[in-house]
Amino acid sequence: SAVISQKPSRDICQRGTSLTIQCQVDSQVTMMFWYRQQPGQSLTLIATANQGSEATYESGFVIDKFPISRPNLTFSTLTVSNMSPEDSSIYLCSVEGRHRYNEQFFGPGTRLTVL
Amino acid sequence: QQQVKQSPQSLIVQKGGISIINCAYENTAFDYFPWYQQFPGKGPALLIAIRPDVSEKKEGRFTISFNKSAKQFSLHIMDSQPGDSATYFCAARRSPGGTSYGKLTFGQGTILTVHP
Repeated sequence: SAVISQKPSRDICQRGTSLTIQCQVDSQVTMMFWYRQQPGQSLTLIATANQGSEATYESGFVIDKFPISRPNLTFSTLTVSNMSPEDSSIYLCSVEGRHRYNEQFFGPGTRLTVL
Repeated sequence: QQQVKQSPQSLIVQKGGISIINCAYENTAFDYFPWYQQFPGKGPALLIAIRPDVSEKKEGRFTISFNKSAKQFSLHIMDSQPGDSATYFCAARRSPGGTSYGKLTFGQGTILTVHP
């Protein structure tokens, strides 16, 4: 399985500020995703991070709020912009290979608290 | 049609007992069904997964049963241990093609507590 790291592991931020979360994988992967897990809730896909092109966002998530970069096949960033307390969540990146039925692995997550 | 419904929301089992968690889906385009285990403060870890061309898959104490006609699948944990206490999520993924490839749709989660 891929080894995935995320930075920071947690942060406490003030309302109106922005935070960039990094996701690093130990091997090249085709697919990278960003999920949000609100306290005590399930996981919701924010977007698919596409290498070399704009991310594909799910309904309810927009690029201005959650800009994503993916400069290569092992790294991606998610920025949470103009934060409000409602953005307090765990943000998780996941990765998957190209082949059908390839397993999807998750990083350890970034726990964000917005005051 | 994109929903995956999971039950129960919480489950308490005695050590050595069998834990059973159920999931149901509606979208017949789903063709891969993984289960994830998540401990507090950690990311979800892939536990076991099944494709719709088999009715059962077993890995150690963990078994997935799959009923394609009923669009249901379940996780069975045999000889449950206190260390199994965690939140379990079922998920489903659409077959390749278009912009939906790779997207996992998660169930609501089940908090499992195994008492010693």
